[in-house]
Amino acid sequence: SQQGEEDPQALSIQEGENATMNCSYKTSINNLQWYRQNSGRGLVHLILIRSNEREKHSGRLRVTLDTSKKSSSLLITASRAADTASYFCATDGGNTGFQKLVFGTGTRLLVSP
Amino acid sequence: DTEVTQTPKHLVMGMTNKKSLKCEQHMGHRAMYWYKQKAKKPPELMFVYSYEKLSINESVPSRFSPECPNSSLLNLHLHALQPEDSALYLCASSQEAKLHSNQPQHFGDGTRLSIL
Repeated sequence: SQQGEEDPQALSIQEGENATMNCSYKTSINNLQWYRQNSGRGLVHLILIRSNEREKHSGRLRVTLDTSKKSSSLLITASRAADTASYFCATDGGNTGFQKLVFGTGTRLLVSP
Repeated sequence: DTEVTQTPKHLVMGMTNKKSLKCEQHMGHRAMYWYKQKAKKPPELMFVYSYEKLSINESVPSRFSPECPNSSLLNLHLHALQPEDSALYLCASSQEAKLHSNQPQHFGDGTRLSIL
């Protein structure tokens, strides 16, 4: 399977704490994306990092990418209860010539007030 | 609110029924996607349409038949489904589908399908 692995599978923290999720993947990539999914809803795009980038920020989000280790991390700072969701990394690569996202196994984040 | 609209939100059907899932976007995107997501699992790609042309079929069984009537609409026709096909079916769109376009995908909230 080309599916990436994420850890931890589940993370429980208090509001105000930081949350870090890690993603490892198997193939060469064009970019890596992070998505959030609230229970019973669709996925929301958070951030895209290209293969030639090492770090990217968006508000309270910080993403790093290490292509030599085929890994990425997502840091959410000063977490809020509203951040409670599942988070997926997705790699965009392959040899079809078309965007083909392969999602990681996901991290379920619970932020308690 | 999501910019990709999927209908219906829920669908229960028997194994002999024929039904269709619908997806609509008005963002001018030229790429549209179908995903299948089982409970507590990540989404899995089924089909990719680029400029209304089927570009990727991830070896999906023929009981799932996609259709892209125009650049704003994407359908998934269902026939003779099996209980294991019960899942959340997600539609997504992006500006382009080409590999190096580096475009994020916009997802609908999905259709929760149950096969009796």
